[in-house]
Amino acid sequence: NAGVTQTPKFQVLKTGQSMTLQCAQDMNHEYMSWYRQDPGMGLRLIHYSVGAGITDQGEVPNGYNVSRSTTEDFPLRLLSAAPSQTSVYFCASSYSPPTGGGQPQHFGDGTRLSIL
Amino acid sequence: AQRVTQPEKLLSVFKGAPVELKCNYSYSGSPELFWYVQYSRQRLQLLLRHISRESIKGFTADLNKGETSFHLKKPFAQEEDSAMYYCASVRGYSTLTFGKGTMLLVSP
Repeated sequence: NAGVTQTPKFQVLKTGQSMTLQCAQDMNHEYMSWYRQDPGMGLRLIHYSVGAGITDQGEVPNGYNVSRSTTEDFPLRLLSAAPSQTSVYFCASSYSPPTGGGQPQHFGDGTRLSIL
Repeated sequence: AQRVTQPEKLLSVFKGAPVELKCNYSYSGSPELFWYVQYSRQRLQLLLRHISRESIKGFTADLNKGETSFHLKKPFAQEEDSAMYYCASVRGYSTLTFGKGTMLLVSP
């Protein structure tokens, strides 16, 4: 099993461009989430989904859209990239939401995104 | 709002020395707490969860409700323990809140 797969691994964009970061998992996990990792800021939750067709905002959702049409995929869209969105983006999944037993989150390798 | 505080950005110790990575949380109910670790060139992964009361790779973490802390400890640090460590707390029903992380460097 591949676990959580993120593509691309690296991307450089110009301000104003749009793009989609892909995330796929093959573990039949219901819960998926996107984080951004910035120096000195730790991981901050962007959006999450508790199942197909259900998404919700995290701590820093502005400038990002998500959808969850299948259990396996949870793409993150940047509609109009800004330099402040330069970051490393991590996708994670788990069988169920984090609470109630401490479901471990399975992380992808990350996408390093630079916005010029 | 729930917060997870890791006061140290960097902790540098020598091999064989004891290690304590600090984590404090703010939460009014019963917290669910975790430690995640990111080794160089590896994925972020779960190290410990307080509900399991387990010891992984020699690390332990005890929940202290009086001090609202969940410090990560290891009696004798090894060079392979060098990594970024994140404390995390469940927030509400569906999300995790991470601390800012502590980089542990273990020197020979």
